[in-house]
Amino acid sequence: EADIYQTPRYLVIGTGKKITLECSQTMGHDKMYWYQQDPGMELHLIHYSYGVNSTEKGDLSSESTVSRIRTEHFPLTLESARPSHTSQYLCASSEGGSGYTFGSGTRLTVV
Amino acid sequence: GQQLNQSPQSMFIQEGEDVSMNCTSSSIFNTWLWYKQDPGEGPVLLIALYKAGELTSNGRLTAQFGITRKDSFLNISASIPSDVGIYFCAGQSANSKLTFGKGITLSVRP
Repeated sequence: EADIYQTPRYLVIGTGKKITLECSQTMGHDKMYWYQQDPGMELHLIHYSYGVNSTEKGDLSSESTVSRIRTEHFPLTLESARPSHTSQYLCASSEGGSGYTFGSGTRLTVV
Repeated sequence: GQQLNQSPQSMFIQEGEDVSMNCTSSSIFNTWLWYKQDPGEGPVLLIALYKAGELTSNGRLTAQFGITRKDSFLNISASIPSDVGIYFCAGQSANSKLTFGKGITLSVRP
């Protein structure tokens, strides 16, 4: 069973729409992350959080924003989607030095 | 910043063959991890290595944490079609942040 959940799995949306990608984990992990990945390509860290009310930008600049009001929830928002935002978005969480647990991802297509 | 080197970008092998993948870094890591990503899914942890020199197996997979703490390898023995996917190495620092390699796409011919 999955301990980290991402919804929706697939999303096709028109240019200019506001979207929120949901990520929730049931493991009580303090640290959570958002990665952007084009098909078959490397993972790019776009946001991370080390706890409630803590968010930081990652290595790849992104027009998206995140919030961390509850430990288990780390949503990502795009205020105005553009075709260049088409990609797969992966959420992950971690605790200690045992690596990250990833969700199944959201495949976003902006038309 | 820290970078991990994985090459080549793609590997093509015949079913039943063994394959080995290397990952090198200019930085020292406390933990080395290997992930596999199936198409349309998130990466899944295969093996985690916590001590320099450690050799760990998980079924047909064997991985080692290099003595210098700057490299790791993953070996898959007797490959099968479901081994197809992208294999990422990752190094974890003392602050728990992961640095990922660019991944190797493995194709297995039946």
